[in-house]
Amino acid sequence: QQKVQQSPESLTVSEGAMASLNCTFSDGTSDNFRWYRQHSGKGLEVLVSIFSDGEKEEGRFTAHLNRASLHVSLHIREPQPSDSAVYLCAMSIDYNQGKLIFGQGTKLSIKP
Amino acid sequence: GPKVLQIPSHQIIDMGQMVTLNCDPVSNHLYFYWYKQILGQQMEFLVNFYNGKVMEKSKLFKDQFSVERPDGSYFTLKIQPTALEDSAVYFCASSLGSNQDTQYFGPGTRLLVL
Repeated sequence: QQKVQQSPESLTVSEGAMASLNCTFSDGTSDNFRWYRQHSGKGLEVLVSIFSDGEKEEGRFTAHLNRASLHVSLHIREPQPSDSAVYLCAMSIDYNQGKLIFGQGTKLSIKP
Repeated sequence: GPKVLQIPSHQIIDMGQMVTLNCDPVSNHLYFYWYKQILGQQMEFLVNFYNGKVMEKSKLFKDQFSVERPDGSYFTLKIQPTALEDSAVYFCASSLGSNQDTQYFGPGTRLLVL
């Protein structure tokens, strides 16, 4: 069973500074990687999806995938207080009919 | 982005009763999912559903759980009977295809079993 570990557990960053979140997975069988975020009491909002090694940018959000090191990261450029939320990384395997396996989340706080 | 709706937003129920959670997925989506999140814990996959059938279910999807989408209406999760450990937030998601297509999530139904 694929496992996903996120770090750090929580992170406080000043408004405008880069925020970097990390996710490691237990083996190389996953095909698809996504970053979601969850504002308190709300559903999940998809931020960026990445399927091959390298970088994928969606607005202020950039994901980096390195399958060899079993690592995917998310970088948030010029974060604002409204970006304060729990960030979840999720992965899936192509033959698993879309089943997502989630990390435990990183709670990000942006200080004005 | 595309919106998934869930009804009700909150439900309080006595242990042993039946509960039905409703999901209104994105209109042209074909794959439907339920996930469970116990307070303070990880989001976990319960079940996925396509073409009127369950494709895969996790060990969390107990025999008391069932899903259906009659006549293209709501995608429902029914728990009968409920148990205390069923207290959680249940999230519905839908996607156009499986694999690389994005799953869009609803806001969740907060279920409390007393």
